[in-house]
Amino acid sequence: EADIYQTPRYLVIGTGKKITLECSQTMGHDKMYWYQQDPGMELHLIHYSYGVNSTEKGDLSSESTVSRIRTEHFPLTLESARPSHTSQYLCASSEDGENGYEQYFGPGTRLTVT
Amino acid sequence: KNQVEQSPQSLIILEGKNCTLQCNYTVSPFSNLRWYKQDTGRGPVSLTIMTFSENTKSNGRYTATLDADTKQSSLHITASQLSDSASYICVVSDRGSTLGRLYFGRGTQLTVWP
Repeated sequence: EADIYQTPRYLVIGTGKKITLECSQTMGHDKMYWYQQDPGMELHLIHYSYGVNSTEKGDLSSESTVSRIRTEHFPLTLESARPSHTSQYLCASSEDGENGYEQYFGPGTRLTVT
Repeated sequence: KNQVEQSPQSLIILEGKNCTLQCNYTVSPFSNLRWYKQDTGRGPVSLTIMTFSENTKSNGRYTATLDADTKQSSLHITASQLSDSASYICVVSDRGSTLGRLYFGRGTQLTVWP
């Protein structure tokens, strides 16, 4: 099993609150990713990072922000949560290098905004 | 437009039976194709990865096939078990991006009944 962790696993929060979803990996991977997944739908890439101090937006527009101050840590922040942010958020990491490297996923955070 | 289509959307089989899941893709250029298993409320876990030159790859009771000419893949599950109940996701990577861009299908939801 991959050494990538996400907390909290479940979060129910009211509209307008600021939240941070945590993601940590102990594999020393340079590349990290955040995906958003709604039930029965495909994963959509919302943020990625090539390494420390590198962050990029993914294919799906998201109001969230990310930071990468340490290799092992890639938190995602929502400044003001809205019901439209209700979804499952998956963090992943992979080794640096060319295409084809395995992506290892965390268990996910299921966010519900009321 | 790069796409990954999976069929069927859902499938119910009895324990001990075999089943085959299908994946068609239009991703180009092509680097590799992966099958992931995603248990409810968990992150995806890799089952197989196949490159252009590989036609088949097995992982225990899971056997994946790839026809790069017709851009089709299948995942065959032998002697199904209750623990096989999960969503099976087909993921295709293009070699045009140094990020290792992944295109996700929506998955086939497999339910195994006793």
